Amino acid sequence: DGGITQSPKYLFRKEGQNVTLSCEQNLNHDAMYWYRQDPGQGLRLIYYSQIVNDFQKGDIAEGYSVSREKKESFPLTVTSAQKNPTAFYLCASRGLYAGEQYFGPGTRLTVT
Amino acid sequence: AQSVTQLDSQVPVFEEAPVELRCNYSSSVSVYLFWYVQYPNQGLQLLLKYLSGSTLVKGINGFEAEFNKSQTSFHLRKPSVHISDTAEYFCAVSGGQGGSEKLVFGKGTKLTVNP
Repeated sequence: DGGITQSPKYLFRKEGQNVTLSCEQNLNHDAMYWYRQDPGQGLRLIYYSQIVNDFQKGDIAEGYSVSREKKESFPLTVTSAQKNPTAFYLCASRGLYAGEQYFGPGTRLTVT
Repeated sequence: AQSVTQLDSQVPVFEEAPVELRCNYSSSVSVYLFWYVQYPNQGLQLLLKYLSGSTLVKGINGFEAEFNKSQTSFHLRKPSVHISDTAEYFCAVSGGQGGSEKLVFGKGTKLTVNP
């Protein structure tokens, strides 16, 4: 089955720790995205990558970092510099046409 | 910059009633438009999309949307809702000034279907 997997589903960390969220896709898509979702805020773009070894900042990149070493994988690191990291994080990928994106099931990160 | 406005943050309706979720976007040039649905603690699922051609677009689960270029709107409709339609719905746009590689989302509309 083709799709996007994110792991883990729930993640708990202490303040001051970096944490890495996994995103893998087997859709053979070139472009991948990370979004943050907070209640009532919609989805906000953190980072995106249109090709391996290249990525761009989105609207709220501060306190986050990414890498794109393989086409299938786009991990997101939430660093200790992110002031309010507790949120629901969604990964997506895009095929060739017209901006349509496919989403993973999400990771809910709680930092205390 | 591109923007999307979903005019209602919450819409309560009774089962089997019709529903319309409203979406307006800001671009004056050609865009692509999407509606996504999100069930609690899940990712987003594409309901339907407008790329070009017919302004009435049919999607999954009996939903449809109408693209109105003059009013820059893309409202989502369903003639008769079920309890299972309870979810959050997001309108999104790409293309136009923002380019097609990124989607801009509205803040979402929570649809609650009551028995």
